Amino acid sequence: NAGVMQNPRHLVRRRGQEARLRCSPMKGHSHVYWYRQLPEEGLKFMVYLQKENIIDESGMPKERFSAEFPKEGPSILRIQQVVRGDSAAYFCASSPPQSNSPLHFGNGTRLTVT
Amino acid sequence: RKEVEQDPGPFNVPEGATVAFNCTYSNSASQSFFWYRQDCRKEPKLLMSVYSSGNEDGRFTAQLNRASQYISLLIRDSKLSDSATYLCVVNRDNYGQNFVFGPGTRLSVLP
Repeated sequence: NAGVMQNPRHLVRRRGQEARLRCSPMKGHSHVYWYRQLPEEGLKFMVYLQKENIIDESGMPKERFSAEFPKEGPSILRIQQVVRGDSAAYFCASSPPQSNSPLHFGNGTRLTVT
Repeated sequence: RKEVEQDPGPFNVPEGATVAFNCTYSNSASQSFFWYRQDCRKEPKLLMSVYSSGNEDGRFTAQLNRASQYISLLIRDSKLSDSATYLCVVNRDNYGQNFVFGPGTRLSVLP
């Protein structure tokens, strides 16, 4: 049973370009979460999705950031017109629909904006 | 006040020491509780779930006190490889964002 798969592991973008981060949850998991972590800081919640639905996006910046989890395929976190401050590790986690189940994390995408 | 708070740390302990981490949560409706560890520049990994009756996994013991809204993690006979940041995680289970992460407590086990 493959774990949560994120790609790419490392992504370098110039200011103003777009970044697309992908996350495939564990088999049987229908809930996906995205977190951002700046160096030497804690995890910051961004968005929680179920298939074809955004459940909670209270942690997403209002502009330039969007997320989706289509019926088929991975969840995508999209950052348009990246700025240096977007440089961070972006972690995806998934959980099954049952309550009391823990989150399982992917190994993250490290975004560097030059 | 943050919803989940942890000992600020860092904890620097010698190998073989016993160390305890504390975590408090403010939402009394919280349903489930976990400890994760995060190594530098890596993803958080589940260490153990925390059950009402308390549970043990080798050198690690977790306790939950619902009345006081308090969770603890005890590490006995600490190893160099235990050096990491320990995250307390609470699942509210009745809001959009179910999981709330504490800020973490950093542990360094010294030779």
